[in-house]
Amino acid sequence: AQSVTQLDSHVSVSEGTPVLLRCNYSSSYSPSLFWYVQHPNKGLQLLLKYTSAATLVKGINGFEAEFKKSETSFHLTKPSAHMSDAAEYFCVVGNAGNNRKLIWGLGTSLAVNP
Amino acid sequence: AAGVIQSPRHLIKEKRETATLKCYPIPRHDTVYWYQQGPGQDPQFLISFYEKMQSDKGSIPDRFSAQQFSDYHSELNMSSLELGDSALYFCASSKGQGTYEQYFGPGTRLTVT
Repeated sequence: AQSVTQLDSHVSVSEGTPVLLRCNYSSSYSPSLFWYVQHPNKGLQLLLKYTSAATLVKGINGFEAEFKKSETSFHLTKPSAHMSDAAEYFCVVGNAGNNRKLIWGLGTSLAVNP
Repeated sequence: AAGVIQSPRHLIKEKRETATLKCYPIPRHDTVYWYQQGPGQDPQFLISFYEKMQSDKGSIPDRFSAQQFSDYHSELNMSSLELGDSALYFCASSKGQGTYEQYFGPGTRLTVT
């Protein structure tokens, strides 16, 4: 069975400093992994996805994530935080079955301080 | 590009009332998923439809029902509303059942008073 754990429920950074949001996954199969972002009172937007191609995945708004099989991790990074990055971030693993259900982490709330 | 459309965007109902949420998938998408997101929580999968047939069922209460119509739009019907049903309800769509490429709508915020 697949599962995903976001290691931090809240992360606070200063504007212009790096962002690291941590995610570990558990999967019996080669996983498909995603990061979604949700701004306050807004819908879910796909940031990036890993589907067994390049292990370093580039997403929108300068975000990247690296798939590390040996560490079962898929951490989200950005070199320099912007105020507009303040949002809730969800790490998601795809359920390797016919229904392709998405299994969600509990989310990490990112605060960006001026 | 066309996105998933949900209506209404906001809905206020009283306890024991009924509500109907609508979802219009991206054109040519044949699969629709419904999620419920409570305050400060991750989205919880409710139910999905592929080619107008229920394909998977999650934590959907018996008071709720849903269907997908011939034009692929879907409706989530909620009866005997409870305060705990207050949440953001997302619809997502995809092309084909066996894909993770789910595109989310903006959500419907339901408030039950």
